[in-house]
Amino acid sequence: DAGITQSPRHKVTETGTPVTLRCHQTENHRYMYWYRQDPGHGLRLIHYSYGVKDTDKGEVSDGYSVSRSKTEDFLLTLESATSSQTSVYFCAISESQGIDSEQYFGPGTRLTVT
Amino acid sequence: GDSVTQMEGPVTLSEEAFLTINCTYTATGYPSLFWYVQYPGEGLQLLLKATKADDKGSNKGFEATYRKETTSFHLEKGSVQVSDSAVYFCAATGRRALTFGSGTRLQVQP
Repeated sequence: DAGITQSPRHKVTETGTPVTLRCHQTENHRYMYWYRQDPGHGLRLIHYSYGVKDTDKGEVSDGYSVSRSKTEDFLLTLESATSSQTSVYFCAISESQGIDSEQYFGPGTRLTVT
Repeated sequence: GDSVTQMEGPVTLSEEAFLTINCTYTATGYPSLFWYVQYPGEGLQLLLKATKADDKGSNKGFEATYRKETTSFHLEKGSVQVSDSAVYFCAATGRRALTFGSGTRLQVQP
């Protein structure tokens, strides 16, 4: 199994509070991704990183920010959580972004915003 | 834009039945195609992949063939087991990351 951990694994927070989710990898892969999983939508890309301090938006980036100060860590921040951000969040990594770029996923973080 | 469409579930089968889960894609160029499986409470695991037309990916008795002419990548297994109960996701490489289908839940009954 790829060495990917996510923390926390579960979190309940109140509307309007800031939340930071952490993804940590031990594979030294260049690319890291944050997805959210919602019923009927599969996984949707929030943000991704193609190197330290290099990040870009995905299809559902509103309300989220990310940071990557080290190769192994990719942080996802909800500046002011809303109920619509209740979801399961998955981090993924890949060695490349090319045509053959399979991704490896972490165990997920279940976030509930009340 | 890129998209992946899967058959809606849940799919309920008896043990040893034949499984097909349909997947079609729209994309510019020729993406690589993947099937991922998610067991309850876990993250996604890569099940199989195919990187070019007519490639067949296979793993653990599951197979899928990359059909460029029909833009499809249907997942099949000849004899399912109770332990195959999970959610299956079809995915295609996109411009920035993978594009996923909405997932198909498979329930196999003894």
